[in-house]
Amino acid sequence: AQSVAQPEDQVNVAEGNPLTVKCTYSVSGNPYLFWYVQYPNRGLQFLLKYITGDNLVKGSYGFEAEFNKSQTSFHLKKPSALVSDSALYFCAVRDEVGYSTLTFGKGTMLLVSP
Amino acid sequence: DTGVSQDPRHKITKRGQNVTFRCDPISEHNRLYWYRQTLGQGPEFLTYFQNEAQLEKSRLLSDRFSAERPKGSFSTLEIQRTEQGDSAMYLCASSLGTGGGNYGYTFGSGTRLTVV
Repeated sequence: AQSVAQPEDQVNVAEGNPLTVKCTYSVSGNPYLFWYVQYPNRGLQFLLKYITGDNLVKGSYGFEAEFNKSQTSFHLKKPSALVSDSALYFCAVRDEVGYSTLTFGKGTMLLVSP
Repeated sequence: DTGVSQDPRHKITKRGQNVTFRCDPISEHNRLYWYRQTLGQGPEFLTYFQNEAQLEKSRLLSDRFSAERPKGSFSTLEIQRTEQGDSAMYLCASSLGTGGGNYGYTFGSGTRLTVV
């Protein structure tokens, strides 16, 4: 069975500072990894994904994520946080098998203070 | 085509009533998924379709839940004899899955169900 852990319920950071939102995963085969963002009363918006290739993946709104196979992690990062980045962030994983579906973590609330 | 559409956005119903939600995926997407999200939790998988075939159902999907995707286009999710525990956001997503299906999902804005 595949699973995702987001160990932090909330991350607080000051505007202009770097941010990291942590994610670790477990799958039986090679992972396909995703980050989504959710604003209040909205659906999930795709940020970025790792399928294969470079371990550092760049996505929307200046976010990036680093895949670390040995640590089974896929942490989300941004060099300089904005107040508008405040939202709920979800990490998701699926196995490379074609019929596999996405499994989500419980989410991390990011709060960026002015 | 502007994305995945869900209708209604909000639904308040009395316990014991039946409700039906609709999802219109991105037209060229052959896969359609239903997820449920409760407060403080991530989305939980309910079921998915490839074209019109329902390929997988979660154990979360009790006998009171049924989903269809006639002709591989829009999908409906029906909940019979609603219970207060069914209160949640119901999310629909679609993807273009070919072979390994390594594309991300595009989500709709969800239907928020409140059972009173």
